[in-house]
Amino acid sequence: DAKTTQPPSMDCAEGRAANLPCNHSTISGNEYVYWYRQIHSQGPQYIIHGLKNNETNEMASLIITEDRKSSTLILPHATLRDTAVYYCIVRGRDMRFGAGTRLTVKP
Amino acid sequence: DTAVSQTPKYLVTQMGNDKSIKCEQNLGHDTMYWYKQDSKKFLKIMFSYNNKELIINETVPNRFSPKSPDKAHLNLHINSLELGDSAVYFCASTPRLAGETQYFGPGTRLLVL
Repeated sequence: DAKTTQPPSMDCAEGRAANLPCNHSTISGNEYVYWYRQIHSQGPQYIIHGLKNNETNEMASLIITEDRKSSTLILPHATLRDTAVYYCIVRGRDMRFGAGTRLTVKP
Repeated sequence: DTAVSQTPKYLVTQMGNDKSIKCEQNLGHDTMYWYKQDSKKFLKIMFSYNNKELIINETVPNRFSPKSPDKAHLNLHINSLELGDSAVYFCASTPRLAGETQYFGPGTRLLVL
């Protein structure tokens, strides 16, 4: 079973930052937080992952709280093509997907 | 150039038939997975193989039999197909067994009539 909790849906205006929250209060010390997204019916696409420190790559930023019980994925300038279901996953032995957050970017 | 590929992309078949879905990765990864995404869009792991050896076998009916002829391939054979098997099946791979980014294939859309 997934070890994360995410809001089922969010809207964001095009060009604005999209901040997607995730709770993972039962995370263990050696478990990574991963973010994936699934656009329409394509295969899930890796976005970013982290353990303790905040991370940034060309797609997004990941902010992990000091107690590691929650994190936020930030898409700095959302575009219409960022409309997708975003999954926050605590990576143990395998990848357990929850229901994710359906992000809709609106013009 | 495709990292993880699946065939076929679409599969429509009758109840009771036996069918196979193939997956290949050209990334040199050791570990491969099969996931099922049902109509409610939940993505659930079914199997994982590491270097041709079965590692994870979730509660999946034994009508589903994965086969890994080599570490670049993980095929899924399904016997006696049922209506409830209709779903999108995704293959994925990672460099090693744990703690690594997974790369997903484009999916195989199975419809059982």
